[in-house]
Amino acid sequence: RKEVEQDPGPFNVPEGATVAFNCTYSNSASQSFFWYRQDCRKEPKLLMSVYSSGNEDGRFTAQLNRASQYISLLIRDSKLSDSATYLCVVIFFNQAGTALIFGKGTTLSVSS
Amino acid sequence: DADVTQTPRNRITKTGKRIMLECSQTKGHDRMYWYRQDPGLGLRLIYYSFDVKDINKGEISDGYSVSRQAQAKFSLSLESAIPNQTALYFCATSAAGEQFFGPGTRLTVL
Repeated sequence: RKEVEQDPGPFNVPEGATVAFNCTYSNSASQSFFWYRQDCRKEPKLLMSVYSSGNEDGRFTAQLNRASQYISLLIRDSKLSDSATYLCVVIFFNQAGTALIFGKGTTLSVSS
Repeated sequence: DADVTQTPRNRITKTGKRIMLECSQTKGHDRMYWYRQDPGLGLRLIYYSFDVKDINKGEISDGYSVSRQAQAKFSLSLESAIPNQTALYFCATSAAGEQFFGPGTRLTVL
């Protein structure tokens, strides 16, 4: 099993739709989790951290399920401007030090 | 002004040439990172540094070396570039959690 896995998509949804992405991780000792957004040919930018209790920021909700080892990102009322690639990031500590693993990303395309 | 800058932004070079990619940051962060991004493979960590005297290999360090000249500067070198090192390279910094990325360097090795 790969360390961090995401469904690459693409997810094609109409404006106003609700869409959810999952990201699974294999290392049960993983410590920190994040969702990043990357627009085409641009650098990734932090969308939100993922807390154990779940967290919400406007139309975006992030959840962590440690038992099943996945994090999720829910986008409500999708906008055209939400079209991007969404990357999950998992951080854990091992004998070699800190390991920071990015998922390969899930592509979202929102259409009018 | 951007907090994390990378130079050059684009570079085309030939197989066997030595290439250096520079990264500078004004965020005052101790931690700096180099990644490469390839279509279908996502972002992969090449090297990272938690302070000026600390250098660590990432997932794909073979064929690369780094230098942490100062807290604000972290350079990536390809001693003898090869075509499969053609990729988009990102530098990033962090204090502890969130990473801040530079705009990227698009490198093509012919």
